[in-house]
Amino acid sequence: AQKITQTQPGMFVQEKEAVTLDCTYDTSDPSYGLFWYKQPSSGEMIFLIYQGSYDQQNATEGRYSLNFQKARKSANLVISASQLGDSAMYFCAMSNYGQNFVFGPGTRLSVLP
Amino acid sequence: DAGVTQSPTHLIKTRGQQVTLRCSPKSGHDTVSWYQQALGQGPQFIFQYYEEEERQRGNFPDRFSGHQFPNYSSELNVNALLLGDSALYLCASSIVQGPQTYEQYFGPGTRLTVT
Repeated sequence: AQKITQTQPGMFVQEKEAVTLDCTYDTSDPSYGLFWYKQPSSGEMIFLIYQGSYDQQNATEGRYSLNFQKARKSANLVISASQLGDSAMYFCAMSNYGQNFVFGPGTRLSVLP
Repeated sequence: DAGVTQSPTHLIKTRGQQVTLRCSPKSGHDTVSWYQQALGQGPQFIFQYYEEEERQRGNFPDRFSGHQFPNYSSELNVNALLLGDSALYLCASSIVQGPQTYEQYFGPGTRLTVT
């Protein structure tokens, strides 16, 4: 069975600094995808970044990058130059070929002015 | 290009009643998944529809059922509502473009309150 672990219930970061949100996963499938989503207080899940298990390079999307360490089964999200609007819940998720989406419990990020 | 849309936005029902939630996928997406998100938790997978059939199901009772229409839109039905069904219900549409190329986008959700 697939499982996502996010060990940081809450994180604080100063505006303009970088922050890393941790995610570890467990699966026996060789082919899978890893996702990060942001959920503001409004409730909508916003897609941030995706990494395939066979991708050789770490994914990047603007200020977001995914630190993918396959051997350690970790997929940490790095947010550079934090902004006040980054305050939200962040969820790590994984999927096997578009199915079996499993989400972690989330990390609440608070950006301080 | 419209994203994933859901209706209604909010809903209040009484225990024992039935509810239907609706979802229209993002243009070009052929698969719809439904999730239940209780307060303070991550989304829990309910089921996924592809080609008008339930392709996969999470650990939810038969009171939860769904349907996908030829235009890929979908409905989630919940019968005999319980207080514990109060949650944010998220619809997500997706498409598989290759063995490792797929995307999933979420709608704004329907907040269901059961009293």
